[in-house]
Amino acid sequence: NAGVMQNPRHLVRRRGQEARLRCSPMKGHSHVYWYRQLPEEGLKFMVYLQKENIIDESGMPKERFSAEFPKEGPSILRIQQVVRGDSAAYFCASSPSPGNEQYFGPGTRLTVT
Amino acid sequence: KQEVTQIPAALSVPEGENLVLNCSFTDSAIYNLQWFRQDPGKGLTSLLLIQSSQREQTSGRLNASLDKSSGRSTLYIAASQPGDSATYLCAVILTGGSNYKLTFGKGTLLTVNP
Repeated sequence: NAGVMQNPRHLVRRRGQEARLRCSPMKGHSHVYWYRQLPEEGLKFMVYLQKENIIDESGMPKERFSAEFPKEGPSILRIQQVVRGDSAAYFCASSPSPGNEQYFGPGTRLTVT
Repeated sequence: KQEVTQIPAALSVPEGENLVLNCSFTDSAIYNLQWFRQDPGKGLTSLLLIQSSQREQTSGRLNASLDKSSGRSTLYIAASQPGDSATYLCAVILTGGSNYKLTFGKGTLLTVNP
């Protein structure tokens, strides 16, 4: 059973460009969480999704950030008009049911130049 | 607001030593608590999950305990090895509502010297 997959592993964007981060949950998992790890800071929750639904986006910046988890295909975290402060590691986790053990992907390291 | 604190921030021990990592949380109404390890530049590996009704969990050389009333958890590592060197993270999920987000501590950086 393949683990949580994220791509790309590394992404470099110039200020003002868009970044698209993808996450494929473990097989049989329909709950996806996105977290962000800023340099020198801990992991912070961003958004919690189930198939086709955003359950909680209380950790998402109100502008430029959006997330989706379509019926088919991976979950996508989209950052529009990136700024240097968006440079961070973005991790996706999945679980088979709410509150169950969360399994993390390897992360996408975004660098904004 | 739930806050998770991990002490110490860094720990260096000689190989073979037994050690304890500490985690404290401010809101005792937790659903569960999870310990992870993170290697440099890598993702998180889940080590142990303790449900709120449990007192401890064991996996190999690792033992995690949970005391909800005092808001504390410990991760005990027996007979440490250089391969145990990593950052260890503690995270909790609060009860109530539909939000099952993990709230993380900042971690303890463990170095095991050969």
